[in-house]
Amino acid sequence: GAVVSQHPSWVICKSGTSVKIECRSLDFQATTMFWYRQFPKQSLMLMATSNEGSKATYEQGVEKDKFLINHASLTLSTLTVTSAHPEDSSFYICSAIPGQRSRTLHFGNGTRLTVT
Amino acid sequence: AQSVTQPDIHITVSEGASLELRCNYSYGATPYLFWYVQSPGQGLQLLLKYFSGDTLVQGIKGFEAEFKRSQSSFNLRKPSVHWSDAAEYFCAVGEQGAQKLVFGQGTRLTINP
Repeated sequence: GAVVSQHPSWVICKSGTSVKIECRSLDFQATTMFWYRQFPKQSLMLMATSNEGSKATYEQGVEKDKFLINHASLTLSTLTVTSAHPEDSSFYICSAIPGQRSRTLHFGNGTRLTVT
Repeated sequence: AQSVTQPDIHITVSEGASLELRCNYSYGATPYLFWYVQSPGQGLQLLLKYFSGDTLVQGIKGFEAEFKRSQSSFNLRKPSVHWSDAAEYFCAVGEQGAQKLVFGQGTRLTINP
Protein backbone atom coordinates (compact mmCIF):
# COMPACT_ATOMS: atom_id res chain seq x y z
CA GLY A 1 0.00 0.00 0.00
CA ALA A 2 0.80 3.73 0.01
CA VAL A 3 2.06 3.94 -3.56
CA VAL A 4 3.02 7.28 -5.04
CA SER A 5 3.26 7.50 -8.80
CA GLN A 6 5.16 10.26 -10.55
CA HIS A 7 4.94 11.05 -14.24
CA PRO A 8 6.86 11.46 -16.43
CA SER A 9 9.96 9.68 -15.19
CA TRP A 10 12.11 11.77 -17.47
CA VAL A 11 11.56 14.71 -19.78
CA ILE A 12 13.67 16.82 -22.08
CA CYS A 13 12.48 20.26 -23.04
CA LYS A 14 13.79 23.37 -24.72
CA SER A 15 14.60 26.59 -22.90
CA GLY A 16 11.60 28.82 -22.53
CA THR A 17 9.01 26.08 -22.53
CA SER A 18 7.00 24.83 -19.58
CA VAL A 19 6.92 21.33 -18.19
CA LYS A 20 4.31 19.74 -15.96
CA ILE A 21 5.10 16.91 -13.56
CA GLU A 22 2.33 14.89 -11.96
CA CYS A 23 2.34 13.23 -8.57
CA ARG A 24 -0.44 10.81 -7.74
CA SER A 25 -1.26 8.84 -4.64
CA LEU A 26 -2.62 5.60 -6.05
CA ASP A 27 -4.20 3.88 -3.08
CA PHE A 28 -4.71 6.60 -0.52
CA GLN A 29 -5.82 10.18 -0.23
CA ALA A 30 -3.17 12.76 0.43
CA THR A 31 -4.16 16.15 1.75
CA THR A 32 -0.52 17.09 1.79
CA MET A 33 2.19 16.41 -0.74
CA PHE A 34 5.75 17.64 -0.83
CA TRP A 35 7.99 18.53 -3.73
CA TYR A 36 11.75 18.06 -3.47
CA ARG A 37 14.59 18.89 -5.79
CA GLN A 38 17.79 16.92 -5.95
CA PHE A 39 20.94 18.01 -7.74
CA PRO A 40 23.38 15.33 -8.89
CA LYS A 41 25.05 13.59 -5.99
CA GLN A 42 23.40 15.90 -3.50
CA SER A 43 20.66 15.65 -0.96
CA LEU A 44 17.00 16.43 -1.32
CA MET A 45 15.92 19.99 -0.79
CA LEU A 46 12.32 20.70 0.04
CA MET A 47 10.82 23.12 -2.47
CA ALA A 48 7.24 23.41 -1.34
CA THR A 49 4.38 21.86 0.55
CA SER A 50 1.31 21.24 -1.55
CA ASN A 51 -2.01 21.44 0.27
CA GLU A 52 -5.20 20.16 -1.30
CA GLY A 53 -7.60 22.96 -2.04
CA SER A 54 -5.28 25.77 -0.99
CA LYS A 55 -2.13 27.52 -2.04
CA ALA A 56 1.18 25.79 -1.77
CA THR A 57 3.69 26.84 0.85
CA TYR A 58 7.09 27.52 -0.67
CA GLU A 59 10.42 27.25 1.06
CA GLN A 60 12.65 30.26 1.26
CA GLY A 61 14.46 30.92 -1.97
CA VAL A 62 12.08 28.97 -4.18
CA GLU A 63 10.44 31.08 -6.88
CA LYS A 64 6.72 30.46 -6.69
CA ASP A 65 6.13 31.98 -10.11
CA LYS A 66 8.61 29.62 -11.71
CA PHE A 67 7.52 26.48 -9.89
CA LEU A 68 3.74 26.42 -9.99
CA ILE A 69 2.10 23.87 -7.75
CA ASN A 70 -1.50 22.79 -7.99
CA HIS A 71 -3.16 20.30 -5.66
CA ALA A 72 -6.62 20.10 -7.12
CA SER A 73 -7.66 16.76 -5.69
CA LEU A 74 -6.81 14.45 -2.83
CA THR A 75 -4.81 12.21 -5.12
CA LEU A 76 -3.06 14.57 -7.49
CA SER A 77 -0.52 17.36 -7.19
CA THR A 78 1.24 18.92 -10.15
CA LEU A 79 4.46 20.88 -10.41
CA THR A 80 4.86 23.08 -13.48
CA VAL A 81 8.27 24.44 -14.25
CA THR A 82 7.53 27.58 -16.24
CA SER A 83 9.87 29.13 -18.80
CA ALA A 84 12.42 26.47 -18.07
CA HIS A 85 16.14 27.20 -18.29
CA PRO A 86 19.12 24.84 -18.23
CA GLU A 87 19.71 25.63 -14.57
CA ASP A 88 16.31 24.12 -13.82
CA SER A 89 17.61 20.75 -14.94
CA SER A 90 17.40 18.50 -11.95
CA PHE A 91 15.74 15.48 -10.38
CA TYR A 92 12.34 16.36 -8.93
CA ILE A 93 10.74 14.04 -6.39
CA CYS A 94 7.33 14.22 -4.85
CA SER A 95 6.13 12.62 -1.66
CA ALA A 96 2.83 12.18 0.07
CA ILE A 97 1.49 11.28 3.48
CA PRO A 98 -1.42 8.88 3.84
CA GLY A 99 -3.45 10.76 6.42
CA GLN A 100 -3.23 13.85 8.57
CA ARG A 101 -1.68 12.03 11.51
CA SER A 102 0.76 9.95 9.57
CA ARG A 103 4.45 10.69 10.00
CA THR A 104 5.76 8.53 7.17
CA LEU A 105 6.39 10.00 3.76
CA HIS A 106 6.05 7.86 0.68
CA PHE A 107 8.05 8.95 -2.31
CA GLY A 108 7.49 8.82 -6.02
CA ASN A 109 10.24 7.56 -8.29
CA GLY A 110 11.21 11.03 -9.37
CA THR A 111 11.34 12.95 -12.63
CA ARG A 112 14.58 13.73 -14.40
CA LEU A 113 14.20 17.10 -16.12
CA THR A 114 16.74 18.18 -18.71
CA VAL A 115 16.41 21.61 -20.24
CA THR A 116 18.38 22.15 -23.43
CA ALA B 1 16.35 24.82 12.97
CA GLN B 2 16.99 21.14 12.79
CA SER B 3 19.84 19.71 10.76
CA VAL B 4 21.18 16.32 9.86
CA THR B 5 24.81 15.38 9.29
CA GLN B 6 26.03 12.26 7.60
CA PRO B 7 29.80 12.45 8.07
CA ASP B 8 30.66 9.83 5.46
CA ILE B 9 30.05 10.82 1.86
CA HIS B 10 31.19 7.49 0.46
CA ILE B 11 31.77 4.12 2.09
CA THR B 12 33.06 0.95 0.51
CA VAL B 13 32.65 -2.43 2.16
CA SER B 14 33.12 -5.98 1.02
CA GLU B 15 30.16 -8.22 0.45
CA GLY B 16 29.35 -10.09 3.62
CA ALA B 17 31.00 -7.52 5.85
CA SER B 18 29.17 -5.53 8.47
CA LEU B 19 28.06 -1.97 7.85
CA GLU B 20 27.45 1.12 9.93
CA LEU B 21 26.35 4.42 8.44
CA ARG B 22 26.53 7.39 10.74
CA CYS B 23 23.90 10.05 11.25
CA ASN B 24 23.88 12.94 13.69
CA TYR B 25 21.04 15.36 14.09
CA SER B 26 20.45 18.68 15.72
CA TYR B 27 16.98 19.22 17.11
CA GLY B 28 15.63 20.65 20.33
CA ALA B 29 12.87 18.18 21.02
CA THR B 30 12.50 14.46 20.46
CA PRO B 31 12.78 14.04 16.73
CA TYR B 32 11.19 11.71 14.28
CA LEU B 33 14.10 9.95 12.57
CA PHE B 34 14.19 8.10 9.29
CA TRP B 35 16.55 6.22 7.05
CA TYR B 36 15.79 6.08 3.33
CA VAL B 37 17.61 4.32 0.50
CA GLN B 38 17.80 5.56 -3.08
CA SER B 39 18.92 3.56 -6.08
CA PRO B 40 20.27 5.53 -9.06
CA GLY B 41 17.56 7.49 -10.83
CA GLN B 42 14.91 6.30 -8.42
CA GLY B 43 12.85 7.71 -5.62
CA LEU B 44 13.36 6.96 -1.96
CA GLN B 45 12.39 3.83 -0.11
CA LEU B 46 11.87 3.88 3.63
CA LEU B 47 14.17 1.50 5.49
CA LEU B 48 13.08 2.27 9.02
CA LYS B 49 11.88 5.00 11.33
CA TYR B 50 11.99 6.00 14.96
CA PHE B 51 9.25 7.94 16.68
CA SER B 52 9.44 6.80 20.30
CA GLY B 53 9.84 3.71 22.47
CA ASP B 54 12.50 1.09 21.91
CA THR B 55 15.63 2.85 20.75
CA LEU B 56 16.72 -0.06 18.59
CA VAL B 57 14.60 -0.11 15.48
CA GLN B 58 14.35 -2.93 12.99
CA GLY B 59 13.73 -2.19 9.36
CA ILE B 60 13.45 -3.88 6.02
CA LYS B 61 16.21 -5.73 4.19
CA GLY B 62 17.93 -6.67 7.45
CA PHE B 63 18.76 -3.11 8.49
CA GLU B 64 18.51 -1.74 12.00
CA ALA B 65 19.24 1.60 13.60
CA GLU B 66 19.79 2.76 17.15
CA PHE B 67 18.65 6.09 18.53
CA LYS B 68 21.08 7.50 21.08
CA ARG B 69 19.77 10.68 22.56
CA SER B 70 22.96 11.45 24.47
CA GLN B 71 24.93 11.40 21.24
CA SER B 72 22.21 12.86 19.00
CA SER B 73 22.80 9.94 16.70
CA PHE B 74 20.75 7.49 14.70
CA ASN B 75 23.26 5.16 13.04
CA LEU B 76 22.20 2.56 10.53
CA ARG B 77 23.64 -0.95 10.73
CA LYS B 78 23.55 -4.22 8.88
CA PRO B 79 25.47 -7.30 10.00
CA SER B 80 26.21 -8.62 6.51
CA VAL B 81 25.82 -6.57 3.35
CA HIS B 82 24.78 -7.88 -0.04
CA TRP B 83 25.78 -6.54 -3.43
CA SER B 84 22.22 -5.31 -3.88
CA ASP B 85 22.68 -2.94 -0.93
CA ALA B 86 24.82 -0.65 -3.08
CA ALA B 87 22.89 2.63 -3.18
CA GLU B 88 22.64 6.08 -1.65
CA TYR B 89 21.43 6.24 1.94
CA PHE B 90 19.77 9.26 3.47
CA CYS B 91 19.10 10.00 7.10
CA ALA B 92 16.28 12.45 7.79
CA VAL B 93 14.70 14.19 10.74
CA GLY B 94 11.11 15.34 10.95
CA GLU B 95 9.74 18.04 13.12
CA GLN B 96 7.46 16.77 15.84
CA GLY B 97 3.93 17.80 14.98
CA ALA B 98 4.98 18.61 11.42
CA GLN B 99 5.55 16.43 8.42
CA LYS B 100 8.45 18.14 6.74
CA LEU B 101 11.70 16.26 6.57
CA VAL B 102 15.22 17.59 6.59
CA PHE B 103 17.66 15.27 4.89
CA GLY B 104 21.31 14.64 5.46
CA GLN B 105 23.78 14.88 2.62
CA GLY B 106 23.60 11.18 1.93
CA THR B 107 26.15 8.38 2.05
CA ARG B 108 26.96 6.44 -1.08
CA LEU B 109 27.57 2.78 -0.37
CA THR B 110 29.72 0.71 -2.70
CA ILE B 111 30.00 -3.05 -2.27
CA ASN B 112 33.15 -4.88 -3.30
CA PRO B 113 32.64 -8.45 -4.48
